[in-house]
Amino acid sequence: EAQVTQNPRYLITVTGKKLTVTCSQNMNHEYMSWYRQDPGLGLRQIYYSMNVEVTDKGDVPEGYKVSRKEKRNFPLILESPSPNQTSLYFCASSSIATDTQYFGPGTRLTVL
Amino acid sequence: QKEVEQNSGPLSVPEGAIASLNCTYSDRGSQSFFWYRQYSGKSPELIMFIYSNGDKEDGRFTAQLNKASQYVSLLIRDSQPSDSATYLCAVNMRTGFQKLVFGTGTRLLVSP
Repeated sequence: EAQVTQNPRYLITVTGKKLTVTCSQNMNHEYMSWYRQDPGLGLRQIYYSMNVEVTDKGDVPEGYKVSRKEKRNFPLILESPSPNQTSLYFCASSSIATDTQYFGPGTRLTVL
Repeated sequence: QKEVEQNSGPLSVPEGAIASLNCTYSDRGSQSFFWYRQYSGKSPELIMFIYSNGDKEDGRFTAQLNKASQYVSLLIRDSQPSDSATYLCAVNMRTGFQKLVFGTGTRLLVSP
């Protein structure tokens, strides 16, 4: 089954404790992206990647890091999480041939 | 001016009626347009995409695009209670790579 997976689905952590949210897709998509979704603000892009070793900032990159060492994986790293990073996070992927993005199930992060 | 604007709603329609959802965008160079459906706490699910002016129909859904007026709409015929969700309009505002900008969504309520 073609899908985008994220782990963990739910995470409660404390300020300053480094964490990684994993994202993996099995569709051989070149493009992958991370979004956060907050009430009243909609989906905002954090980082994106056009292919392996090619990443760039989206609209709200502060406090986040990403890497793309393999085509299928695109982890999101929070080196020192803060309460304002409490949000619902989505990973998405798409083929370069089309621009239709498919979303993972989401990760609900709470930073205390 | 927001890049992609939607009325937050809620838009309330009775079962069996036509629901009309609208979206305007700011960038005249936008190339492709998407409608996603999102149930509370779930990930966005692609309903339709449209690239050319005019109408595109898929089952009970019709997407309409007017590039001159910079708006895109989604019609849902024979609305069902299961259509109750938030509908996100997304616009690819650049050619060459896939940056989707999302509206904040319109909440649709279909009453039995």
